Amino acid sequence: DAGVIQSPRHEVTEMGQEVTLRCKPISGHNSLFWYRQTMMRGLELLIYFNNNVPIDDSGMPEDRFSAKMPNASFSTLKIQPSEPRDSAVYFCASRDREGTEAFFGQGTRLTVV
Amino acid sequence: QKEVEQDPGPLSVPEGAIVSLNCTYSNSAFQYFMWYRQYSRKGPELLMYTYSSGNKEDGRFTAQVDKSSKYISLFIRDSQPSDSATYLCAMTLNDMRFGAGTRLTVKP
Repeated sequence: DAGVIQSPRHEVTEMGQEVTLRCKPISGHNSLFWYRQTMMRGLELLIYFNNNVPIDDSGMPEDRFSAKMPNASFSTLKIQPSEPRDSAVYFCASRDREGTEAFFGQGTRLTVV
Repeated sequence: QKEVEQDPGPLSVPEGAIVSLNCTYSNSAFQYFMWYRQYSRKGPELLMYTYSSGNKEDGRFTAQVDKSSKYISLFIRDSQPSDSATYLCAMTLNDMRFGAGTRLTVKP
């Protein structure tokens, strides 16, 4: 397996634009996580899916953020409209089952200017 | 109070030193405790994994968990320049919560 695949690797966008980040989890994994990493706040959990169902989205900062998982092999994180304070590295991770290792993608480095 | 507290450092040590990294947590329901290592511009990767209180050793690395104190540690013996990275503690219940990460530099 190629591991967790995220796209794009880098994204630069203007304030107010819509941004969509994509994630393909490892085949067979039934949990998926979206994290945001900044120097100031570290690695923050945004949302957690189990069997394609959002279980906990309490970390989503505000209504501008939304996440979907239409099937077991694909998830998106959308920011609309984007703001400069959204600039961060966004990671997707997947896990086989509770209590096991979560595997991370390479991340998407988002810059909103 | 954050659920998981970790001193972000940075921490700089000479090659060969013993490194001690620590996290405290507030949720006594956490069941699994992990340490991840993250190199610059990469995603975190699992380094150590423990379930119960006590010690677990893997080569130069030792993970300790003290559930009564809600405190976990990672020790690195004979530290090497290749150990320079950010170390993140993680705890799981259903989801996974991370500490802020400690940036470690091991100088030759």
